[in-house]
Amino acid sequence: EVQLVESGGGLVQPGGSLRLSCTASGFTFSRYGMHWVRQAPGKGLEWIGRIKSKNDGGTIGYAALVTDRFIISRDDSNDTLYLQMNRLKPEDTAIYFCSAGNPLLSWGQGTLVTVSS
Amino acid sequence: DIQMTQSPSSLSASVGDRVTITCRASQSISRSLNWYQQKPGKAPKLLIYTASSLQSGVPSRFSGSGSGTDFTLTISSLQLEDFATYYCQQSYSTPPDTFGQGTKLEIK
Repeated sequence: EVQLVESGGGLVQPGGSLRLSCTASGFTFSRYGMHWVRQAPGKGLEWIGRIKSKNDGGTIGYAALVTDRFIISRDDSNDTLYLQMNRLKPEDTAIYFCSAGNPLLSWGQGTLVTVSS
Repeated sequence: DIQMTQSPSSLSASVGDRVTITCRASQSISRSLNWYQQKPGKAPKLLIYTASSLQSGVPSRFSGSGSGTDFTLTISSLQLEDFATYYCQQSYSTPPDTFGQGTKLEIK
């Protein structure tokens, strides 16, 4: 069974940093592009960024809103996707989902990030 | 960046109704359009990919059509479990893989 489990969310002060993890199981993680998508409370889905598989070039792309603050990486040896979030703002408060594939076929349950003083 | 606009933003319908949701891209995206369903408190679920291909396990009452800039998601006969929010997403010109703003389908 395909499973994606996000972790690392929590409360952080504005200007702070947080690293989210997404641990995959049930499929060959290294073969798939992986995405981060967020959803602010009561709002729609917002695509954050993605990292392609190494076989597909391993390139990383970001949404303009986060391109100079967030960093996506992956550890294929541990089947884990990461999202390093720096200089966090209150408007980054959201549930953060990881997703596998293109289209986004499998999703985690999400982890809540709250940016507040 | 390509912008995706869904209409309507919300929709009230009854069980058994035929429902159509529209998604328009700000420029041609060929058939690189996906549809997702999200229920409250849950992760999104892929319904349709490349405009009209039904994801495995998705009921056949869901269908997608369109190409270029205009796309539709149709539910032929609404069931109770279909009341949810629906999102389109383009995967033609990325990044970003833009989502539409969502269409909330509510019970009339």
